[in-house]
Amino acid sequence: QQQVKQSPQSLIVQKGGISIINCAYENTAFDYFPWYQQFPGKGPALLIAIRPDVSEKKEGRFTISFNKSAKQFSLHIMDSQPGDSATYFCAAKVDTGRRALTFGSGTRLQVQP
Amino acid sequence: DTAVSQTPKYLVTQMGNDKSIKCEQNLGHDTMYWYKQDSKKFLKIMFSYNNKELIINETVPNRFSPKSPDKAHLNLHINSLELGDSAVYFCASSQEGLALETQYFGPGTRLLVL
Repeated sequence: QQQVKQSPQSLIVQKGGISIINCAYENTAFDYFPWYQQFPGKGPALLIAIRPDVSEKKEGRFTISFNKSAKQFSLHIMDSQPGDSATYFCAAKVDTGRRALTFGSGTRLQVQP
Repeated sequence: DTAVSQTPKYLVTQMGNDKSIKCEQNLGHDTMYWYKQDSKKFLKIMFSYNNKELIINETVPNRFSPKSPDKAHLNLHINSLELGDSAVYFCASSQEGLALETQYFGPGTRLLVL
């Protein structure tokens, strides 16, 4: 049972364009939603994260939009650059007790020059 | 200055062998994790330790045994390796109480079982 569903599986965007990756979750106990970026041969690295008490969080070119009622959240990468080409994972976690992240299936982003 | 380090980076071995992967973090965190990333890049939690105590043990074969000698180290021993164990294994760490409890991942250990 996949608790966090991510789409699309892959995405090709032109340089300067907007990349949008979507995730949906089922467990209403989740209350921490990070996005991780993974380059080939490397470990995932935290990109940006949000709690459900806000609907949007922006850090530079990266924005998380969060819709609690729809149980969905998305990552927007503005002015996408070739250096953004990587695999992006959404994740979710219950804040207390069990601390492990439940990951989405990943989106491979290619930004073409 | 590596925050979370793993050894070895690559591990190629025969079916049936026993192998260990080591993880160390120098962040002073109290919680460490093992995640498995399969060939489709799906990441899944295997184990979690908090202050050397096992707090998460997912449905993982008994052949996998984690050991935490101290807060800074979490090792993974795998007995009787099988072809299906081929994957990338990531160690991670976090600190309870720190803002959003960011998990920091190591570079991964690429295990190939022949």
